[in-house]
Amino acid sequence: AQSVTQLGSHVSVSEGALVLLRCNYSSSVPPYLFWYVQYPNQGLQLLLKYTTGATLVKGINGFEAEFKKSETSFHLTKPSAHMSDAAEYFCAVSEGNFNKFYFGSGTKLNVKP
Amino acid sequence: ETGVTQTPRHLVMGMTNKKSLKCEQHLGHNAMYWYKQSAKKPLELMFVYNFKEQTENNSVPSRFSPECPNSSHLFLHLHTLQPEDSALYLCASSHGRTPGVEQYFGPGTRLTVT
Repeated sequence: AQSVTQLGSHVSVSEGALVLLRCNYSSSVPPYLFWYVQYPNQGLQLLLKYTTGATLVKGINGFEAEFKKSETSFHLTKPSAHMSDAAEYFCAVSEGNFNKFYFGSGTKLNVKP
Repeated sequence: ETGVTQTPRHLVMGMTNKKSLKCEQHLGHNAMYWYKQSAKKPLELMFVYNFKEQTENNSVPSRFSPECPNSSHLFLHLHTLQPEDSALYLCASSHGRTPGVEQYFGPGTRLTVT
């Protein structure tokens, strides 16, 4: 089975600073990788995904992530944090024809003024 | 309505009550999922339905009973729950059996068991 590790359950950055949220996965086959965001009292919203092709993936709200096979990583970045980015972020991996997802434990991003 | 909807958004029930959660997707998907999200725990996949057939049951206690009458609707019937069942229950949908597609989530039902 897959496992997904998100380093840091809480990350705090200043407004305008770089955002870096880390995600590592275990997989013996090329995975499909996703980042989701969850705002309070809401469901999960897709930020971006990697399936094949270009390893640098751009998503919504200025976020991007890079798939590094050698490091089994899919870290999420944003050059300049905004107050509205404060939320919880989940990394996920899917495999197989039944599209089963494995989620990380989440990272809460706090943005300080 | 668009996307994935869930009702009710909030539910408080006693341990002896019976209630149901409803999920509806308007995306033309054929796979639907129930997840449990508790504080300080990763998202837990509970059930998966593909083309109305249950394809996954992650050792969920029998006090949770899913029902999928068609590809657009998913229910979670609840009875004799425990306080530790209090959580946010999320429904999701996707194109089943298509590798690499994303799941679309509803807003969730916040369940409190008293």
